[in-house]
Amino acid sequence: AQSVTQLDSQVPVFEEAPVELRCNYSSSVSVYLFWYVQYPNQGLQLLLKYLSGSTLVESINGFEAEFNKSQTSFHLRKPSVHISDTAEYFCAVTEGGGSQGNLIFGKGTKLSVKP
Amino acid sequence: GAGVSQTPSNKVTEKGKYVELRCDPISGHTALYWYRQSLGQGPEFLIYFQGTGAADDSGLPNDRFFAVRPEGSVSTLKIQRTERGDSAVYLCASSLIWGPYNEQFFGPGTRLTVL
Repeated sequence: AQSVTQLDSQVPVFEEAPVELRCNYSSSVSVYLFWYVQYPNQGLQLLLKYLSGSTLVESINGFEAEFNKSQTSFHLRKPSVHISDTAEYFCAVTEGGGSQGNLIFGKGTKLSVKP
Repeated sequence: GAGVSQTPSNKVTEKGKYVELRCDPISGHTALYWYRQSLGQGPEFLIYFQGTGAADDSGLPNDRFFAVRPEGSVSTLKIQRTERGDSAVYLCASSLIWGPYNEQFFGPGTRLTVL
């Protein structure tokens, strides 16, 4: 069965420091990979996704993630974080091969950016 | 255009009572998903609708849970004989068409508390 592991439940960092939020998945079939973000008191929003093609994908606010098939990972990175990046980040996958697309989520990582 | 809306935002009920949670998807979106997010966990899939029919209800925890989407737009999640373990945030998401690569747009959720 598919599963998604986010090893870090909380990541505190200082403003302008780099950050990496880890995500590993297990699946016996091809997958599509997503990062969703939930800002305080808001709903889940799609941050970025990997469907095919280049294994490095980027968001409009400076985050990037790289699909590594051999390591079954899709880690999220940002070279310099801002206070406004404080949020909870969820890694998720869907199965390829004709599935209806229900997302399998990790438990989430709370990123706390301190001044 | 409006996003996905969910009502009520908060629902407090007593053990054994019946509750209904409503989801208004984005206009024109044919696929609708329900997820449940317990404290400290990522969202977990409950049920998926393509149009009016429930295409996959494999995530419903037991027969106390039921969902409908009679006209292919608004959906209602119904929980009978509520239990304290049903306390969670119930999320609804919609996407333009079904499929594992389509972005799902999430509502703000309904926080259900069973006393």
